[in-house]
Amino acid sequence: GQQVMQIPQYQHVQEGEDFTTYCNSSTTLSNIQWYKQRPGGHPVFLIQLVKSGEVKKQKRLTFQFGEAKKNSSLHITATQTTDVGTYFCAEATNDYKLSFGAGTTVTVRA
Amino acid sequence: EAQVTQNPRYLITVTGKKLTVTCSQNMNHEYMSWYRQDPGLGLRQIYYSMNVEVTDKGDVPEGYKVSRKEKRNFPLILESPSPNQTSLYFCASKRGGNSPLHFGNGTRLTVT
Repeated sequence: GQQVMQIPQYQHVQEGEDFTTYCNSSTTLSNIQWYKQRPGGHPVFLIQLVKSGEVKKQKRLTFQFGEAKKNSSLHITATQTTDVGTYFCAEATNDYKLSFGAGTTVTVRA
Repeated sequence: EAQVTQNPRYLITVTGKKLTVTCSQNMNHEYMSWYRQDPGLGLRQIYYSMNVEVTDKGDVPEGYKVSRKEKRNFPLILESPSPNQTSLYFCASKRGGNSPLHFGNGTRLTVT
């Protein structure tokens, strides 16, 4: 079953505002991958975090791995309509298993 | 272009009628996997394959079969589909280790 829990399940954001989505686990995570799925599309890899406290940025997206490696977050600044979609975090528990969270579905009010 | 190709994109069938969803990748990836996506449940792994002739169950394998006779192909077989298998299915592939998954465009299956 799912080892990572994502909150919130839904995020409604005013265009231009910031928001954060979280990925939590009760156990220590080996690493975290983040994917984005546009409406009607397929998941597309965004980034992977491996090290404790790691922070990576992709333009307006900031990804963080917790110090204890039990949580991760995705922060989006100045939300745009292109940010619409579902964001999944996933843990690669080993070479053959990637366990996905339920996702955060983001809608944007223009 | 590097890609994972699934067919068909949409499929409506009736209970008990065997069907196959095909998946092919052109990236020479050793690892391939099938996921189903249901609202509120995210992506759940059905089966995976580490290499040719090597397959194993994921989290929700009941009612599904797979085969890996060639490296590029990994079909998903539903011998006797039931309505609870109505879902959005994704095939994915990757290189070894913790490399990212490359997903196909998905197959939306409806079983009536």
